[in-house]
Amino acid sequence: SQQGEEDPQALSIQEGENATMNCSYKTSINNLQWYRQNSGRGLVHLILIRSNEREKHSGRLRVTLDTSKKSSSLLITASRAADTASYFCATTGNTGFQKLVFGTGTRLLVSP
Amino acid sequence: DTEVTQTPKHLVMGMTNKKSLKCEQHMGHRAMYWYKQKAKKPPELMFVYSYEKLSINESVPSRFSPECPNSSLLNLHLHALQPEDSALYLCASSQGSLVGEKLFFGSGTQLSVL
Repeated sequence: SQQGEEDPQALSIQEGENATMNCSYKTSINNLQWYRQNSGRGLVHLILIRSNEREKHSGRLRVTLDTSKKSSSLLITASRAADTASYFCATTGNTGFQKLVFGTGTRLLVSP
Repeated sequence: DTEVTQTPKHLVMGMTNKKSLKCEQHMGHRAMYWYKQKAKKPPELMFVYSYEKLSINESVPSRFSPECPNSSLLNLHLHALQPEDSALYLCASSQGSLVGEKLFFGSGTQLSVL
């Protein structure tokens, strides 16, 4: 299976702290995406990093990709209570179709 | 308009019922998707439509029947479901179906099968 595994499964921090989530995947990829999901809602795209990129930033988000280790990390800096959500990495293989497969997810709780 | 709209938000049905889930987008996207998500699990791909043609069916049981009447609409017809089919059903769209495009998701339909 192409599904990524995320670590930790759950993370609890205080507002203002940084949160780091890791994703490992099994097959070669074209790109890796991160999504966020508030409880019982749809997913929201956060950031995409291509296989030839090593790091990408978007606001308080920093994503890294290490294709040799088949892993990625998502760092949220200066977290806020509103960042409380589940975060999923998602990968596609090198096929021509958009078959996006989601990792197991990290549940982040940010306490005020 | 950057929304994907799903109706209904909640649905309770018996195992002998027939119901349909609806999804609509007006972003001009040409690829649409159905995902199924059980509690505390990641979404699992069910179907992909590309330019109104079914391009991926992830071995989904025939009691789930997708339909794409036009480029803006996607339906999922449900018949003779089982209690284990209870889940959040998510619709998504993307501009095309090439690798590397981001998906826009609806808020989902929470389905309970009794």
